Amino acid sequence: AQSVTQLDSHVSVSEGTPVLLRCNYSSSYSPSLFWYVQHPNKGLQLLLKYTSAATLVKGINGFEAEFKKSETSFHLTKPSAHMSDAAEYFCVVNTLGRLYFGRGTQLTVWP
Amino acid sequence: NAGVTQTPKFQVLKTGQSMTLQCAQDMNHNSMYWYRQDPGMGLRLIYYSASEGTTDKGEVPNGYNVSRLNKREFSLRLESAAPSQTSVYFCASSPTWGSNTDTQYFGPGTRLTVL
Repeated sequence: AQSVTQLDSHVSVSEGTPVLLRCNYSSSYSPSLFWYVQHPNKGLQLLLKYTSAATLVKGINGFEAEFKKSETSFHLTKPSAHMSDAAEYFCVVNTLGRLYFGRGTQLTVWP
Repeated sequence: NAGVTQTPKFQVLKTGQSMTLQCAQDMNHNSMYWYRQDPGMGLRLIYYSASEGTTDKGEVPNGYNVSRLNKREFSLRLESAAPSQTSVYFCASSPTWGSNTDTQYFGPGTRLTVL
């Protein structure tokens, strides 16, 4: 069975401080993993994806994520938050073309 | 390239009314998808079309029908809308079906309210 757990429904940070959004997954297969971002009243945009190459994946806007098979985790990080990062973030497992979404983490960035 | 487009952007229906949500992609993708997004939940797959001429049920298909009109267009129909179908609907497309590595590209969404 496939499932995705985003460990925090809300994360608040100050501008310029690090961001950590946590994701754990379970999958019967060797999955690919994605992070998507959704800004208010917008569609979903791909931030980055892991597809069994390098375990540290760099994405757009300074985000990166590390795939840890032993911990079944794929946490999203950014060294320094910007106001424009305020959005909802979804961790997604892709198993044979089917996407399984986490419930999302709402990121708030304070000035 | 417009990517994935959806119409309408907003819609309000009364219980029992019908409507069709339209989706089109200009990336020459083979596979297309319809999802719904409810508060506090991730997206859930309603129906998908692996390739032109085929459609299959996803996780939450009840109350919906779909048509893959051609390679570009994939519509979602609500025959008799219910308040439980109040949601945000997203269309997506990807190059192929069944690939672990393909990215799905999403449209901007349709916000539907059923009174």
